[in-house]
Amino acid sequence: LAKTTQPISMDSYEGQEVNITCSHNNIATNDYITWYQQFPSQGPRFIIQGYKTKVTNEVASLFIPADRKSSTLSLPRVSLSDTAVYYCLVRSYNTDKLIFGTGTRLQVFP
Amino acid sequence: EAGVTQFPSHSVIEKGQTVTLRCDPISGHDNLYWYRRVMGKEIKFLLHFVKESKQDESGMPNNRFLAERTGGTYSTLKVQPAELEDSGVYFCASSQDGSQRGYGYTFGSGTRLTVV
Repeated sequence: LAKTTQPISMDSYEGQEVNITCSHNNIATNDYITWYQQFPSQGPRFIIQGYKTKVTNEVASLFIPADRKSSTLSLPRVSLSDTAVYYCLVRSYNTDKLIFGTGTRLQVFP
Repeated sequence: EAGVTQFPSHSVIEKGQTVTLRCDPISGHDNLYWYRRVMGKEIKFLLHFVKESKQDESGMPNNRFLAERTGGTYSTLKVQPAELEDSGVYFCASSQDGSQRGYGYTFGSGTRLTVV
């Protein structure tokens, strides 16, 4: 499975848009890009998943360029409650195993 | 719908003792997974059940760990005997269609195991 690289931490202020970029240079044709969010003392929570171009849901947007070697999770107008660790994962369509990296610790300030 | 429930939320045991963790998946979810995060490390996959069958147990660290899912409903993960390095947070997750579905897996809040 492709390894992912993302910033260890990011800071933001309430109301700002936050973009977290993840690189996955060895992504394979059958791989999907998946993002999870984790709050302290909770399990990871699925945010969004995509294969190419752009995916948007009520929580976030995911931008994937044509070469798929990177992806950007965009959180519009963050609030204090968005302070969490965000994991970028590359998941094969043919396997159920998730491989977590270190994640990006996002801190939102008032 | 009720989420994935794990019990207990915390457990402190002495080295050499036995501990059993329980996971109740979302009703109707055939796929059940165990993951864990040991201190300072990343979340690691342990194993995957499809109903009552072990689909993939490649992440189980050693034979001190035994996972079961009788009847394809709840699952237990037993550690016997527990060692200090087993301390960490054990997560359970479930999904309806496994990797075929694009909506991810639902994780429980985890069981924090401390071996002293």
